[in-house]
Amino acid sequence: DTGVSQDPRHKITKRGQNVTFRCDPISEHNRLYWYRQTLGQGPEFLTYFQNEAQLEKSRLLSDRFSAERPKGSFSTLEIQRTEQGDSAMYLCASSLAKTSYNEQFFGPGTRLTVL
Amino acid sequence: AQSVTQPDIHITVSEGASLELRCNYSYGATPYLFWYVQSPGQGLQLLLKYFSGDTLVQGIKGFEAEFKRSQSSFNLRKPSVHWSDAAEYFCAVGAGGSNYKLTFGKGTLLTVNP
Repeated sequence: DTGVSQDPRHKITKRGQNVTFRCDPISEHNRLYWYRQTLGQGPEFLTYFQNEAQLEKSRLLSDRFSAERPKGSFSTLEIQRTEQGDSAMYLCASSLAKTSYNEQFFGPGTRLTVL
Repeated sequence: AQSVTQPDIHITVSEGASLELRCNYSYGATPYLFWYVQSPGQGLQLLLKYFSGDTLVQGIKGFEAEFKRSQSSFNLRKPSVHWSDAAEYFCAVGAGGSNYKLTFGKGTLLTVNP
């Protein structure tokens, strides 16, 4: 069990550029989540997938953000035309839907800095 | 909508002292409650969870938490803190039809003095 992995761990980009992050969940987990954590705050829910279906998107997820989970395995989060306000830690988590309590396992995160 | 309040932004304790981190939640139904710990540059690690049953739950690393419905609280405790416990601690409530969405508090940063 390698846990949830995220790539890259750090990303520095210039305002206006597009960035893409990848998350690989625990292999048997069918649910995958994205959260955003800014300095001094707790993680905030962005979106989640059950298998390949994206079931909910937070209002925090503007139209510059898009997430996919092709074939229900890994997921990508793309931010287009990045803004300085997008600077944050982007966390991915996964869980097994059949459990009653939905314990989520988190990856190490991708820290995005927009200059 | 659900919410979580962690009243203490920063707590400092001496190694070997006892610890209590406060968490208050707001949720209309029976909550699913979690405590996570985050070390610098790391993701979140689950310490313990409460769903039902015994209101005192045991977790990893010697932590425990007590669910008090009347006070809408889920405080985290440890009888004797170790220097390695220095980290940020987050309380979270699970919501949605199968608790898919976690709402986190802002966290409490724990500093441990030698």
